[in-house]
Amino acid sequence: EAGVTQSPTHLIKTRGQQATLRCSPISGHTSVYWYQQALGLGLQFLLWYDEGEERNRGNFPPRFSGRQFPNYSSELNVNALELEDSALYLCASSRSIGQPQHFGDGTRLSIL
Amino acid sequence: ELKVEQNPLFLSMQEGKNYTIYCNYSTTSDRLYWYRQDPGKSLESLFVLLSNGAVKQEGRLMASLDTKARLSTLHITAAVHDLSATYFCAVDLSNQFYFGTGTSLTVIP
Repeated sequence: EAGVTQSPTHLIKTRGQQATLRCSPISGHTSVYWYQQALGLGLQFLLWYDEGEERNRGNFPPRFSGRQFPNYSSELNVNALELEDSALYLCASSRSIGQPQHFGDGTRLSIL
Repeated sequence: ELKVEQNPLFLSMQEGKNYTIYCNYSTTSDRLYWYRQDPGKSLESLFVLLSNGAVKQEGRLMASLDTKARLSTLHITAAVHDLSATYFCAVDLSNQFYFGTGTSLTVIP
């Protein structure tokens, strides 16, 4: 079974630009979650998508947004990038509530 | 907002010794997960604890959950170097995961 895949692995942007990160969940998983892991900090919940709908979002500004496609893959968009957006962005998927989330390898976003 | 605290944050232990990592959380939940993260790698699911009194064991690791005390423990028995990693607990509240700050474990030969 293929795991959660994320692309790109690394992304370098400058302040003010926009970034798009992609995630493909494990086959059969309908829920996709996005987390930010900044250096020295724990995982901060960003967004949860299920069946194409945004179900919940964490305490992040509106310039963090995303969507889930009919095939359950997902995109995370970050607009007007700021230096503090530099972090590892992790995507996870799960089959249903009460099941563990399976994580991808992440996209490391660096803002110059 | 749910707060999840782990302690210790850093743990250095000798091979062969036993130790316990603690995960305290602030709001009632009966679903808790433990993950392992190796440097530069993603998170690997270790244990799923879904009820009060749940106990799971895998090799040298054993996790337990006390929902009344809002406490989970991860016990390490006879540590080996391969267990060196960062361990996270995560509490599930309405299908939103709240992660602890992580415990960085180093096992010294």
